[in-house]
Amino acid sequence: DAKTTQPTSMDCAEGRAANLPCNHSTISGNEYVYWYRQIHSQGPQYIIHGLKNNETNEMASLIITEDRKSSTLILPHATLRDTAVYYCIVKRRMDSNYQLIWGAGTKLIIKP
Amino acid sequence: DTGVSQDPRHKITKRGQNVTFRCDPISEHNRLYWYRQTLGQGPEFLTYFQNEAQLEKSRLLSDRFSAERPKGSFSTLEIQRTEQGDSAMYLCASSWGQETYGYTFGSGTRLTVV
Repeated sequence: DAKTTQPTSMDCAEGRAANLPCNHSTISGNEYVYWYRQIHSQGPQYIIHGLKNNETNEMASLIITEDRKSSTLILPHATLRDTAVYYCIVKRRMDSNYQLIWGAGTKLIIKP
Repeated sequence: DTGVSQDPRHKITKRGQNVTFRCDPISEHNRLYWYRQTLGQGPEFLTYFQNEAQLEKSRLLSDRFSAERPKGSFSTLEIQRTEQGDSAMYLCASSWGQETYGYTFGSGTRLTVV
């Protein structure tokens, strides 16, 4: 599975859109991009995933570049409760290898 | 069903003691995973079950670690002869089929070995 690169930390003002970038330049054609977040002292929470089309759900939007080498997670109206570590992971969705490779993620701090 | 449950939430043990953690997955999920997470790092894969079969184990899972999932329901992770380096958060997750919505994680068991 391809590795990902994320900024260590980011700040965002409450009520604004939080845009979290992720580079995955070695991604293969059959590998998906997954996003999870982890709020302090809790287990990770699934947010969204995608292959090549942009995706949106009730939590966030995922924008994947045309060459699929990078993606951006967008939280449209950030709240204080969105303060968390956000992980970008690349893996083959139907692969028998379930060893998700997690990096250190981006610590997102939402400021009032 | 309130999600993935892990017990206990916190465990402090003396070096050399054995500890056992329990995970109750979402009832209809056939897949169960154990991860370990140390401070400031993302989770690291330990092992994976499909129903009662343990299909994959990480090299991180030394001989002192053993996991079971009898009858394909709850799972236990036992660490024998604990060492200070075992101090970490132990996370359990479950999923169904092709993981359309990703894994559902529990809140973890924080182990401190003193």
